[in-house]
Formats: sequence, structure tokens, C-alpha cells
Amino acid sequence: GAVVSQHPSRVICKSGTSVKIECRSLDFQATTMFWYRQFPKQSLMLMATSNEGSKATYEQGVEKDKFLINHASLTLSTLTVTSAHPEDSSFYICSATRDPTDEQYFGPGTRLTVT
Amino acid sequence: GQQLNQSPQSMFIQEGEDVSMNCTSSSIFNTWLWYKQDPGEGPVLLIALYKAGELTSNGRLTAQFGITRKDSFLNISASIPSDVGIYFCAGPYAGGTSYGKLTFGQGTILTVHP
Repeated sequence: GAVVSQHPSRVICKSGTSVKIECRSLDFQATTMFWYRQFPKQSLMLMATSNEGSKATYEQGVEKDKFLINHASLTLSTLTVTSAHPEDSSFYICSATRDPTDEQYFGPGTRLTVT
Repeated sequence: GQQLNQSPQSMFIQEGEDVSMNCTSSSIFNTWLWYKQDPGEGPVLLIALYKAGELTSNGRLTAQFGITRKDSFLNISASIPSDVGIYFCAGPYAGGTSYGKLTFGQGTILTVHP
């Protein structure tokens, strides 16, 4: 199979703090990982594309200084939401792929609540 | 990115009924993907379509890649309670092939009454 995990599954943090979300490919090496954001009953919106060993590419309108992405190894990418505010509360989902043109395997998502 | 218009937004059906949902775009897509998302989970790929006119089945699910490359539909036959969830169509950005960066439709929320 191709399994992608995310940690934590849920996190609650206070406004102004930072929170890190991990995305791991458990049984394959992922050259590319993608980060999505999903509001309740809405679609997935691509935030950024992360390639191992290089800087992430952010979609238009996504603040790269607020959503820090690191893809330090072929099995791990992290998304850090810095100085979180209540409007950052959302469901964050990552996906991983062996090859940029190959199928993406999605993680189970992380529910972030900022109080 | 390109917009995918998915309809209907939601469906409430009885167990055993057939379901149909579709996705349209103003741009051509070279790949159409259909995903299902269970509550609190990430999407899971149901069917991938790579060729205009292609009709592909996966158990009770059937999907077609429209001949104009601007639409696709997904049918579910003889629905069961575990079909409940959100169904998304998706396709690669800006005429890309296969997967790569994906744009998603708005989703169809399916509720199945036993």
C-alpha cells in the first residue's frame, strides 16, 4: 500500500502561538508532498507544493511567512502555522507522491482550532 | 487555478437507489479523478480517467471522461449506507497530465437513508 500519516490529528492552540503539523509517507519515498486546507463542507484548496530538499512553492494568496513548510527528507514534510489566529482554524491535509506525475496519497488530516 | 463546477451539492437518497453526480470545467482536462472523503479523513481515490470518452468501473462505481474533455460524471449503483461521504472530482492544474497539482470540485455530500 501507500500510507500517509499526519500528526497530530487534532490540535488546539492559543492565538499568537505556533503549531507544527507533520506529514509522513510510511511505506514509500515521497519526492513531492502537497499541503491543502479545507474549511467545513468546502473543497480542498492547495496551499503549497513541497519538494524534498528544496523550497516549497506556494499558491497565490498563501502567506509563505505564515505557513512555513519544510521537506527535509523523502518521508517527512512539516507545516508550521506561525502566530496562529482564529481564522487559521481549519482542516489541514497533506498528500504525498513518489513522482510529481504519480497518484497522490492523502493523509488523514489535522484539525487545527485556534482559540 | 481552474474551477471545477460539481453538482449536485448534496443528495439525500434511500438505500438501494442509484446516484449520479457530475463535474464540468471551462477548460480542458487531460485527467479526471474522483475521490471520496469520509468525515474527518483525507480523500481516497476511487477512479482515475485518462482518456476522452473513457468509461471505467470500480465495483458499483462507474465514471466517464467526457468527450469534450470538459466534463466527467460518477455513478454509484445500488447505494448502501457506507457510501455516505463527500465525493470530489479533481484534475491537474492548467492542462497538466496525470496528477501533479490538483484542483478540486466543490464536492457532493451524499447521505444514504437505510
